[in-house]
Amino acid sequence: GQQLNQSPQSMFIQEGEDVSMNCTSSSIFNTWLWYKQDPGEGPVLLIALYKAGELTSNGRLTAQFGITRKDSFLNISASIPSDVGIYFCAGQRINTSGTYKYIFGTGTRLKVLA
Amino acid sequence: NAGVMQNPRHLVRRRGQEARLRCSPMKGHSHVYWYRQLPEEGLKFMVYLQKENIIDESGMPKERFSAEFPKEGPSILRIQQVVRGDSAAYFCASSPPGTVDSPLHFGNGTRLTVT
Repeated sequence: GQQLNQSPQSMFIQEGEDVSMNCTSSSIFNTWLWYKQDPGEGPVLLIALYKAGELTSNGRLTAQFGITRKDSFLNISASIPSDVGIYFCAGQRINTSGTYKYIFGTGTRLKVLA
Repeated sequence: NAGVMQNPRHLVRRRGQEARLRCSPMKGHSHVYWYRQLPEEGLKFMVYLQKENIIDESGMPKERFSAEFPKEGPSILRIQQVVRGDSAAYFCASSPPGTVDSPLHFGNGTRLTVT
């Protein structure tokens, strides 16, 4: 099945550093979503973006919906050890039948070194 | 996350047995999605259901896998005659009806191990 291109695949960073990851697609989406998955748990919604160009923050997290509607990025500022996990982007589109489809990225695995 | 309830959390089956995975969506949600995740991999779409209807099953294997979301009760993902390759985490997600502004909310998954 289709998946979005997400990069980087994994990253090791020092505590206190900023993190940036992005997601790209060959097709447009109506909504971009960012999720975080902790080990053994389900993905938890971090940020939802509904308009092209929209920039939204949630605490130390900032995400943007690309102008072309084909990409999105997520920044984490001043990382802390509990930021460790897998971050997934997801794009939502509306099918011709009016139903919704969500396509997920391949994930960015973040490890924070104290 | 706690709003979408999946059970069991862990399921062990021998090859050839049947696996039944249950998902109760968040209150007020009538759309259910099932995803599969292999270790160290992303989420692969399997099927999208509304009450009593399968909307999109383009990600479901053609054989042995089926899903339902009855008028009453949880959504069920059923895997018949399981094989080792079915071992994975299966996640259910739900969303409310009718609006674009309705991100998916996930359960904590069922981890299926086939021995």
